Amino acid sequence: GQSLEQPSEVTAVEGAIVQINCTYQTSGFYGLSWYQQHDGGAPTFLSYNALDGLEETGRFSSFLSRSDSYGYLLLQELQMKDSASYFCAPHTGGFKTIFGAGTRLFVKA
Amino acid sequence: EAGVTQFPSHSVIEKGQTVTLRCDPISGHDNLYWYRRVMGKEIKFLLHFVKESKQDESGMPNNRFLAERTGGTYSTLKVQPAELEDSGVYFCASSQPAGREQFFGPGTRLTVL
Repeated sequence: GQSLEQPSEVTAVEGAIVQINCTYQTSGFYGLSWYQQHDGGAPTFLSYNALDGLEETGRFSSFLSRSDSYGYLLLQELQMKDSASYFCAPHTGGFKTIFGAGTRLFVKA
Repeated sequence: EAGVTQFPSHSVIEKGQTVTLRCDPISGHDNLYWYRRVMGKEIKFLLHFVKESKQDESGMPNNRFLAERTGGTYSTLKVQPAELEDSGVYFCASSQPAGREQFFGPGTRLTVL
């Protein structure tokens, strides 16, 4: 079967660093995407990892370990506007993408 | 460049009625996807078009749902007849032919009473 695990909620303060972990079990795996979604908004693409290692895009970095079926999203220098839901989304075949329930990030002043 | 657009933004219908949702992808994006998120649950994949062809419709819940993409441009998702459990937000996304980044539309919030 397929499963996807992320923490349901994470709270951090402005300026801090937060890591959102994701473990997955899928039939077929091509890579891992991360999306951000603000309340009432549409998911917005953040990053995609096809190979093991760290991808850095500004304040956001994403890591993948295929052998461990594990990835994480690292958010640095947190800002209030980073309060949102974050989804890891494995690509399981072709372009099919699986979304989980996401992690709700609360950034406090 | 215009993003993915969806119409309507909200729809309230009664159980048993028919509703048709429309999605206009970004121009040049061959890949078009439909997802839905029911209250409090995860975003679930419904189906994937490559141009006008259904590439993967494994997520379609049942035969009350019909998706089309005539001419490989915009797509429609029809629910007939609608049931209470169909309520949720329906998202459409598109991506370039070889692109992994999916661009999501604002969604259509469907309420079935």
